[in-house]
Amino acid sequence: KAGVTQTPRYLIKTRGQQVTLSCSPISGHRSVSWYQQTPGQGLQFLFEYFSETQRNKGNFPGRFSGRQFSNSRSEMNVSTLELGDSALYLCASSLEGMVVETQYFGPGTRLLVL
Amino acid sequence: DAKTTQPPSMDCAEGRAANLPCNHSTISGNEYVYWYRQIHSQGPQYIIHGLKNNETNEMASLIITEDRKSSTLILPHATLRDTAVYYCIVRVAKAAGNKLTFGGGTRVLVKP
Repeated sequence: KAGVTQTPRYLIKTRGQQVTLSCSPISGHRSVSWYQQTPGQGLQFLFEYFSETQRNKGNFPGRFSGRQFSNSRSEMNVSTLELGDSALYLCASSLEGMVVETQYFGPGTRLLVL
Repeated sequence: DAKTTQPPSMDCAEGRAANLPCNHSTISGNEYVYWYRQIHSQGPQYIIHGLKNNETNEMASLIITEDRKSSTLILPHATLRDTAVYYCIVRVAKAAGNKLTFGGGTRVLVKP
């Protein structure tokens, strides 16, 4: 079974631009979560989608948004990029998003904002 | 979710057991203890989880104290590939909703 895939793997943008990252969960998984990892703040939860609805949200500004499609694929968007948005963005999927389920992480998208 | 405390780093000799402690003194009765690890530049990888009883799988063993205020992850025969940051996470057993709260973790270096 294929794992979680994320595209693109690397991205360079400039301040003020916007970016869209994509995540394809493991087949059959309906919950998709997004995390941001920076050296200063570590791994932080962004949001979770389940059945095309945002179910949980972390403490990030409105510039960070996401969506989920009917096939469970998810995208996250960051508008008006800032230097501090440079980070590794990780996507994770699980079957139903229940606590006892294992979350499987993708390899991440490394975003550099110049 | 309860807060966890882990040592920032530890070294381990290859082939020996690695014992990684985690303190979660404010854990409540319906909270699970999870362990993930992150090898450099990769996404975190699930290792094991437990509620009250000790657990073992092909990767590791999880020992939870009787009062559930602390736990230890045991890698029985550490290899160089086990060099990673290990995260101990406590999660409430809610009906639904996936949100992992990662702390600083323990950076484990396995030495030959």
